[in-house]
Amino acid sequence: GAVVSQHPSWVICKSGTSVKIECRSLDFQATTMFWYRQFPKQSLMLMATSNEGSKATYEQGVEKDKFLINHASLTLSTLTVTSAHPEDSSFYICSASRQGAYEQYFGPGTRLTVT
Amino acid sequence: QKEVEQNSGPLSVPEGAIASLNCTYSDRGSQSFFWYRQYSGKSPELIMFIYSNGDKEDGRFTAQLNKASQYVSLLIRDSQPSDSATYLCAVIGTASKLTFGTGTRLQVTL
Repeated sequence: GAVVSQHPSWVICKSGTSVKIECRSLDFQATTMFWYRQFPKQSLMLMATSNEGSKATYEQGVEKDKFLINHASLTLSTLTVTSAHPEDSSFYICSASRQGAYEQYFGPGTRLTVT
Repeated sequence: QKEVEQNSGPLSVPEGAIASLNCTYSDRGSQSFFWYRQYSGKSPELIMFIYSNGDKEDGRFTAQLNKASQYVSLLIRDSQPSDSATYLCAVIGTASKLTFGTGTRLQVTL
């Protein structure tokens, strides 16, 4: 197996509030986890890479103070969207990989709608 | 030049036929190549990965890699309507980052 779960699967929040998304590897230890965002009819865009116990590495153009990532254990990473705005509405997907492996296994995604 | 290029499609094939999906990449130092399937509204699902030149088969799927031509393809034999999805080619380049193509939409018709 290589199962990754995400919670919640969808969330609606009001502008200005914060939302936390959890990503868990259920049957393996994920030394590295990744957070992606996908807008309709567009490809996946990597937001950040996180290694267990380390600070996340953010891609250019992604605000680290707005998208807070924590990877406190080998099976859990969280993404917090702070002070969400309607333009943050998107499909957020996490993925995880084992130590020494390149293949990434994706969670089912979280659809965020900011009203 | 995009790092990973795919024809957006749609690629339409009749049920039972072979679907051939192609991908080219620009980073000559790339070593790892992946094919993901993504159904509409869902997250990507890993189908195959290939690291060495040549063919790799898994059930109805065959991945083909030609590093000299910087080309990787996915063949789907005996295509089924349930194979209708967007197929994403992904490559790990010299920066050790997984880069996705924009995907090819496959339609398998009855």
